[in-house]
Amino acid sequence: KNQVEQSPQSLIILEGKNCTLQCNYTVSPFSNLRWYKQDTGRGPVSLTIMTFSENTKSNGRYTATLDADTKQSSLHITASQLSDSASYICVVSAKSNAGNNRKLIWGLGTSLAVNP
Amino acid sequence: DAGVIQSPRHEVTEMGQEVTLRCKPISGHDYLFWYRQTMMRGLELLIYFNNNVPIDDSGMPEDRFSAKMPNASFSTLKIQPSEPRDSAVYFCASSPLGGHFYEQYFGPGTRLTVT
Repeated sequence: KNQVEQSPQSLIILEGKNCTLQCNYTVSPFSNLRWYKQDTGRGPVSLTIMTFSENTKSNGRYTATLDADTKQSSLHITASQLSDSASYICVVSAKSNAGNNRKLIWGLGTSLAVNP
Repeated sequence: DAGVIQSPRHEVTEMGQEVTLRCKPISGHDYLFWYRQTMMRGLELLIYFNNNVPIDDSGMPEDRFSAKMPNASFSTLKIQPSEPRDSAVYFCASSPLGGHFYEQYFGPGTRLTVT
């Protein structure tokens, strides 16, 4: 069964600190992996997308890594800011039978709170 | 661009009533998606359209749910009759292309409460 599991479920850190969020998946056949940020009361916004051949991708203070062998991804946030407080959702795309990659498996997200 | 527009932002209704959620995708986007988000199940894809045609509605929970896209700039998700278990945040998203390299742009969501 295709699944995406994220850990921790929630996290509290102090402003300026770094943190790492984890995503484990059992999706096959794998197409790509995305990280979304969802602020409270808003829709998710894409941070990064990685394909099978990409090991790491950065977007400002956000760096995502992918290990396709172990089926793990992480999202590292450097020098956290109060505005980083949000839910971070890992989404894995599975290739559909039609080959058009339309199947997305969403994780439940990690809720991050950055305190001053 | 104004982004994906959804209305209403909040809806409170009584069990048994009909509920209609509305969505205007980003102009030029060929794909439109309807999602439901709850704490327990996260984001779930209900249905998606390509060029106004429904492609996959396997996520629609039951016959009480229906979705239409009469033209490229408007879509509705209807629940009739509504039940308390339908309470959730409903998101509409659009995408310029359906391939795996393209991201989905989400609207602000409609928070539905059925009492």
